[in-house]
Amino acid sequence: SAVISQKPSRDICQRGTSLTIQCQVDSQVTMMFWYRQQPGQSLTLIATANQGSEATYESGFVIDKFPISRPNLTFSTLTVSNMSPEDSSIYLCSVGGGTDLTDTQYFGPGTRLTVL
Amino acid sequence: QQQVKQSPQSLIVQKGGISIINCAYENTAFDYFPWYQQFPGKGPALLIAIRPDVSEKKEGRFTISFNKSAKQFSLHIMDSQPGDSATYFCAARARGNKLTFGTGTQLKVEL
Repeated sequence: SAVISQKPSRDICQRGTSLTIQCQVDSQVTMMFWYRQQPGQSLTLIATANQGSEATYESGFVIDKFPISRPNLTFSTLTVSNMSPEDSSIYLCSVGGGTDLTDTQYFGPGTRLTVL
Repeated sequence: QQQVKQSPQSLIVQKGGISIINCAYENTAFDYFPWYQQFPGKGPALLIAIRPDVSEKKEGRFTISFNKSAKQFSLHIMDSQPGDSATYFCAARARGNKLTFGTGTQLKVEL
């Protein structure tokens, strides 16, 4: 399995500002993913973070709003830009799948974001 | 096409009883079906998973039943305990290892 940490664990931000969330893994992994979980809802994939190339975004999510960096095989960041109250969610990174850690995706503890 | 339907939305079971959560999918390209357990304030944790070439998988008190022809799969929690009270998500994996999640089931196990 993989040990995943996220920073910050929670934050309260003002409308119009940006927040960068960090995801650190204890081993090198090829595939990293970012999900959003709105209050009381399921998880929705935002993007796949690719090392050495641009992230691949899902429908409804754009790079200008959610820029992602993946500088190496153990680290990624997700920025939530120009925030509005609708961005209040839990943001989760996950790793795994393909040849890295069998089929399984492992999730970090999440970053709980509240936008006022 | 990518949707995974999950039911029930919430479930109350007596201690020692059986909890059953059902999921259905449409996309026949899904090739891996995990179940995740999530406690409040925590990230989802993998509980058990199955591939579509297997009809049943059991790990301790947790069993997945898989019906490929019906495109349905279910989670059975035997001898449910108060510590099992959590939100459960089924998921299905498509190409690129992308997971599509069900809507979640809030399970409460009462004494």
